[in-house]
Amino acid sequence: NAGVTQTPKFRVLKTGQSMTLLCAQDMNHEYMYWYRQDPGMGLRLIHYSVGEGTTAKGEVPDGYNVSRLKKQNFLLGLESAAPSQTSVYFCASKDFSNQPQHFGDGTRLSIL
Amino acid sequence: AQSVTQPDIHITVSEGASLELRCNYSYGATPYLFWYVQSPGQGLQLLLKYFSGDTLVQGIKGFEAEFKRSQSSFNLRKPSVHWSDAAEYFCAVGSPSGNTPLVFGKGTRLSVIA
Repeated sequence: NAGVTQTPKFRVLKTGQSMTLLCAQDMNHEYMYWYRQDPGMGLRLIHYSVGEGTTAKGEVPDGYNVSRLKKQNFLLGLESAAPSQTSVYFCASKDFSNQPQHFGDGTRLSIL
Repeated sequence: AQSVTQPDIHITVSEGASLELRCNYSYGATPYLFWYVQSPGQGLQLLLKYFSGDTLVQGIKGFEAEFKRSQSSFNLRKPSVHWSDAAEYFCAVGSPSGNTPLVFGKGTRLSVIA
């Protein structure tokens, strides 16, 4: 009964390094989302996907790329990390209907 | 465009006191409304949701919320707060079709004092 699992939970990067955050869900959900959370800013949508092989930009997509090659996985990539990308990243998923989003526990990313 | 306003950034209440967290939304049609709670270091957990029907909805942990269309509000309430309720609370609005992402408010941090 894992739900939404994010890997890794913590990471420290140097400016300019690249990395990929993995989100995996075992609920057969169609929709998946990546958010970032910063103090006083709430949750801001980075990218989302409405099904396998699809992606769409959210509110703050610059500096990030995503892929949804498998229905259960949604990857968030940082090609060249910047200190402004220091944040807590949350993944969420939901099915087609009017059901709520299910969230992972987050990935805390620090970029020095 | 959809938007959510949570006017209170931080609220402090005494344990046992009642609580009301405010949420105002902007949406062109009948909205789909949610309240989530986030404990420190954790992800977001759904407290309750409103889609249609009875405007007073009950959630987990003794929380309830009331949808008031005339005021574009969906305030969260609890009659008696427990120390374990200290957390951040987020209101969100979505479309009834469910095919567009939720829009979240910036959150209200709740502190509970003895």
